[in-house]
Amino acid sequence: AQSVTQPDARVTVSEGASLQLRCKYSYSGTPYLFWYVQYPRQGLQLLLKYYSGDPVVQGVNGFEAEFIKSNSSFHLRKASVHWSDSAVYFCAVSAGTNAYKVIFGKGTHLHVLP
Amino acid sequence: GGIITQTPKFLIGQEGQKLTLKCQQNFNHDTMYWYRQDSGKGLRLIYYSITENDLQKGDLSEGYDASREKKSSFSLTVTSAQKNEMAVFLCASIAGSSAETLYFGSGTRLTVL
Repeated sequence: AQSVTQPDARVTVSEGASLQLRCKYSYSGTPYLFWYVQYPRQGLQLLLKYYSGDPVVQGVNGFEAEFIKSNSSFHLRKASVHWSDSAVYFCAVSAGTNAYKVIFGKGTHLHVLP
Repeated sequence: GGIITQTPKFLIGQEGQKLTLKCQQNFNHDTMYWYRQDSGKGLRLIYYSITENDLQKGDLSEGYDASREKKSSFSLTVTSAQKNEMAVFLCASIAGSSAETLYFGSGTRLTVL
């Protein structure tokens, strides 16, 4: 069965700094991978997704993620964060014969210092 | 565009009570989900339904029942509320395959006294 690990419960960075939020998944094949964001008092919304092709995928608001199969990782990156990026970020995976089963990580709470 | 409507927004129950949460979507999506969100535990899958009258258990199905009698609606029942339980229940849907985007409702916040 697939699983997702987000090792950092909380990340604090200063505005303008670069960002990497880590995500590792457990699945032997090539999964579908997602990053969702939950802004304060808002619902979850998709940032980006990967299911084939170029391993670097671009998302909204300058976010990107890279699928590295050899490392089972799908880390989220941003070159320069803004205070409005403060939110909770969730990595998710679906895969295999039960591909409708979408599993989320525990989330990383990003706090951007102005 | 479409919307997912969850009712009620806030639900207060008593220990041992059976409680029902409802979700409606007007996307005409096939697959619907129920997740539970607890602080520090992320989103945990309770039930999902690939099509009308289909039910699939997630990793947290014990203590819950679900029903998908119509394509547009998916309800979740807490069979016996646990004292001091607090969580947000999120409903979501996707159009077709699992490579598609999940669309979420705004959630039902449950408090058990």
